[in-house]
Amino acid sequence: EILMTQSPATVSVSPGGRATLSCRASQSIGINLAWYQQKPGQAPRLLIYGASVRATDIPARFRGGGSGTEFTLTISSLQSEDSAIYFCQQYDNRPPWTFGQGTKVEIK
Amino acid sequence: QLQLQESGPGLVRPSETLFLTCSVSGDSVTSGTYHWSWVRQSPGKTLEWIGYSYHNGSPSYNPSLRSRVAISVDTSRNQFSLTLTSVTAADTAVYYCARDQGLPRSWFDPWGQGTLVTVSS
Repeated sequence: EILMTQSPATVSVSPGGRATLSCRASQSIGINLAWYQQKPGQAPRLLIYGASVRATDIPARFRGGGSGTEFTLTISSLQSEDSAIYFCQQYDNRPPWTFGQGTKVEIK
Repeated sequence: QLQLQESGPGLVRPSETLFLTCSVSGDSVTSGTYHWSWVRQSPGKTLEWIGYSYHNGSPSYNPSLRSRVAISVDTSRNQFSLTLTSVTAADTAVYYCARDQGLPRSWFDPWGQGTLVTVSS
């Protein structure tokens, strides 16, 4: 099973600022990585797949990058509505698919 | 627009069987090469993939749950279901159904709203 580790656990950013979230895989997964946003009481929402491809209707200020074992999600021009927990998920080769433990983004 | 909706009991007794259904609207469970997945989230914890099934292939399960789980697709009702046997308090979680794009594009989109299942006597 591939272990996904996210850091930091929490990031606090001022409105209009930038947040950089990290996700590390325990072995190389190519670009087989997705990012999700989860707000309190809601289901996760797909943001990014293929490490850097934005899902439908996701604003350009959400940018994914990386390959192999190191990945980042950068959120620019942060807005209050971006306050949420962000999860990464790997889907390399074959199941089980695994998720990181999440990074909480707080708006100061 | 594809929508998923979970249903089932919110309370299950320890050692009994959990059964949930996901109703699919806006598309057919037989369309494309999609997989129909269940994912759960224990209180305050991360997401755990449970498994998937699809209409013309074999299901796949998380090894951590394989001995207790079954997922099946009902094409006549356009829904899929989760069965988890011998539940314990550790199975208390919000259970989500989701569409998985199918190998090798196994990200989840969309998701159902989730249903909380509590295991307690």
